[in-house]
Amino acid sequence: SQTIHQWPATLVQPVGSPLSLECTVEGTSNPNLYWYRQAAGRGLQLLFYSVGIGQISSEVPQNLSASRPQDRQFILSSKKLLLSDSGFYLCAWSVTGTPIYEQYFGPGTRLTVT
Amino acid sequence: QKEVEQNSGPLSVPEGAIASLNCTYSDRVSQSFFWYRQYSGKSPELIMSIYSNGDKEDGRFTAQLNKASQYVSLLIRDSQPSDSATYLCAVNQWNSGGSNYKLTFGKGTLLTVNP
Repeated sequence: SQTIHQWPATLVQPVGSPLSLECTVEGTSNPNLYWYRQAAGRGLQLLFYSVGIGQISSEVPQNLSASRPQDRQFILSSKKLLLSDSGFYLCAWSVTGTPIYEQYFGPGTRLTVT
Repeated sequence: QKEVEQNSGPLSVPEGAIASLNCTYSDRVSQSFFWYRQYSGKSPELIMSIYSNGDKEDGRFTAQLNKASQYVSLLIRDSQPSDSATYLCAVNQWNSGGSNYKLTFGKGTLLTVNP
């Protein structure tokens, strides 16, 4: 069966500090991978998605970036965090090559920028 | 802007009752529809998928889809306190900017089941 991991689970960072969040998927090959952010009182916002190694598409211009160095690894980064970057960051995966798009979420990282 | 709308709630029902959650969407060519359950502080969990008009039942859950009315609903029979959570509706929509399909989520409906 497939499993998705995210770490760290929680993070408190000062404004202006860098960020690196990691997501890995087990039990599947060549998945589509996604980064979402869920801010308090707001819906899920798609940040980035990837259909393969090194292929990243950005949905929302911001100070965040994403990378996919390996087939089942997805990384979310920032060089300088803003207060507005606080939120619940969720990684998700789906089977590639279909428009059906069942997505499965990891446990998430709760980020507080102070 | 393609949207997915849900009643924000909160929806409160007594234990054993039927909870009815509703969702409308704006993109007529959407093909796939999903319901996620999100407990407080946790990540969303996929509970139902529906692709064709009509009803789909899975245990105590029934998803209903009406593409002509652009409407999808989730019924929870014999509601239990453990069903208390936020329910997110998600719709698979074509993202012309990225030339791909993407899920658009509603903001969720908070359901409380009272013992």
